[in-house]
Amino acid sequence: SAVISQKPSRDICQRGTSLTIQCQVDSQVTMMFWYRQQPGQSLTLIATANQGSEATYESGFVIDKFPISRPNLTFSTLTVSNMSPEDSSIYLCSVRLAGNEQFFGPGTRLTVL
Amino acid sequence: AQSVSQHNHHVILSEAASLELGCNYSYGGTVNLFWYVQYPGQHLQLLLKYFSGDPLVKGIKGFEAEFIKSKFSFNLRKPSVQWSDTAEYFCAVNAPNTGKLIFGQGTTLQVKP
Repeated sequence: SAVISQKPSRDICQRGTSLTIQCQVDSQVTMMFWYRQQPGQSLTLIATANQGSEATYESGFVIDKFPISRPNLTFSTLTVSNMSPEDSSIYLCSVRLAGNEQFFGPGTRLTVL
Repeated sequence: AQSVSQHNHHVILSEAASLELGCNYSYGGTVNLFWYVQYPGQHLQLLLKYFSGDPLVKGIKGFEAEFIKSKFSFNLRKPSVQWSDTAEYFCAVNAPNTGKLIFGQGTTLQVKP
């Protein structure tokens, strides 16, 4: 298994600002993912963040809005840029370990006013 | 594109009742299948998984799921639910080579004591 931490755990932000969410894993992993869980809905994959390459974004998500960094095998950041109330969600990072299992972080609850 | 459909959005049961949550997926190739659970205020946790072999898989807390390839289904079952099973349940599928998890809409299970 993997122990994943995220910072901040929650935040309340003003419209038009940006927030960077950090994800730290206790072991080196190649594949990391960022998901969004909007209120009352399921998880939607935003992007895949592999170390040493640019993030791969899913349909409907763009780098300008959700820039991602992956500087090493234990850390990643997701920035939510130029926020609007529609960005209010829980943002989760996850990692894929050998054996094809994915483990999830505790999430960052974002509220945009 | 892969998709996952969970038929039950909100299920209410009394303790000791039997549970079956439906999950169907659309993907023509080899898949890995998962059920995740999210207890109130907690992380998303892996309940059980199917990669290959015996199509009846057993997970934690007395849960099991049966993979029926011909029906593209992976239904979750538990013979006797407890109040502590109250949670959100998510079915997910991925193609082994991508690592991306596609989630169903989720089912809210409420168990009345």
